[in-house]
Amino acid sequence: DAGITQSPRHKVTETGTPVTLRCHQTENHRYMYWYRQDPGHGLRLIHYSYGVKDTDKGEVSDGYSVSRSKTEDFLLTLESATSSQTSVYFCAISDGSGRHVFGPGTRLTVT
Amino acid sequence: QKEVEQNSGPLSVPEGAIASLNCTYSDRGSQSFFWYRQYSGKSPELIMFIYSNGDKEDGRFTAQLNKASQYVSLLIRDSQPSDSATYLCAVLNNDMRFGAGTRLTVKP
Repeated sequence: DAGITQSPRHKVTETGTPVTLRCHQTENHRYMYWYRQDPGHGLRLIHYSYGVKDTDKGEVSDGYSVSRSKTEDFLLTLESATSSQTSVYFCAISDGSGRHVFGPGTRLTVT
Repeated sequence: QKEVEQNSGPLSVPEGAIASLNCTYSDRGSQSFFWYRQYSGKSPELIMFIYSNGDKEDGRFTAQLNKASQYVSLLIRDSQPSDSATYLCAVLNNDMRFGAGTRLTVKP
């Protein structure tokens, strides 16, 4: 759905390079999340935000940082990508009910 | 022990049958429970949520919650081939924890 978009949708990068993934929403929801999805592990929370400039760590936050300078944008940065960060990354938004709406995902490959 | 456990499947049912998907969770303080459907190569989509013990029905879907047993299930009646997907159970306490998903195949 157009309410939440992610860019890029696919990316191949080399080990050691920085990578930034962008999540953009038009729903004005307070909560935004970054998850990664890997076979056998399901979705795991990396970081989340509960407002502009308010962020917190999730279950698998090591190696990742986030920023939220505007309500509509939530950025996920891999400062120095590693092969273990090869994954599908999903952004999600919520109005506080816990119900998530997910973005289309970004497939990241680190070679 | 994983915090949210699901049988990975695959679960195969014939068209028109009832598909039963199960999930157990470890955190007794969990308050909200969700079922997401994920088609291959797509993002998860919320199909059911339940907060209180008992059953909640929405069309062909019924979610069942038993907090004493730390168990939540999803029943899909009159299963259709279009229901073939991976179903993710999610549990919310301080943050959302997802199971690894159960792959369901509905055979015509």
